Amino acid sequence: QVQLQESGPGLVKPSQSLPLTCTVSGDSISSGDHFWSWIRQVPGKGLEWIGHISYTGTTYYNPSLKSRLFISMDTSKNLFFLNLNSATAADTAVYYCARSQSVGENCFDPWGQGTLVTVSS
Amino acid sequence: EIVMTQSPDTLSVSPGERATLSCRASQSISSNLAWYQQKPGQAPRLLIYGASIRATGVPARFSGSGSGAEFTLTITSLQSEDIALYYCQQYNNWPPWTFGQGTKVQIK
Repeated sequence: QVQLQESGPGLVKPSQSLPLTCTVSGDSISSGDHFWSWIRQVPGKGLEWIGHISYTGTTYYNPSLKSRLFISMDTSKNLFFLNLNSATAADTAVYYCARSQSVGENCFDPWGQGTLVTVSS
Repeated sequence: EIVMTQSPDTLSVSPGERATLSCRASQSISSNLAWYQQKPGQAPRLLIYGASIRATGVPARFSGSGSGAEFTLTITSLQSEDIALYYCQQYNNWPPWTFGQGTKVQIK
């Protein structure tokens, strides 16, 4: 059974970097079959796809965040990462990591449980 | 960017009755549409993909239909455990993949 688990600081100061880690178990992020995504949800609001990384390390980012965003991976530890620079209060959200197929149905399944990150001084 | 619009924002349905949720894309997305269910404090769960294919373990009372730009999620005989937010998501044109704003299903 594939499981994803987000981790990171629950509180980030404005203008600082927002770093998150997704730990994947039950599947290899280097298998070539999937994209590994970050998605966020502002409390009480909808879902926003942030970006993803493929097994080759190729990344695609939401244009709205592209200038501040870096997604990377560590295949030896089966982890992938998000780093969002110059955080503001608008980046306060629950951050999810999720898997999608790299070919065909690019829907997200499964998802991690999510981690709340608050940007505040 | 493809904009996804869901309606209504809130749907009140009596137990055992049918719930019909709509999702419209700003341009044709073929059948590249998914539906998710999100209960309070939980991550979204995939219900439907390919517009009409139920994900593993999803009860048969959930069904999806539509293609092009108009889609529907139907819950026949609403159960109390179906109270949740429902989101549609297109994966025809990316980046970015985009979601609708959600429909809240509540008991009447």
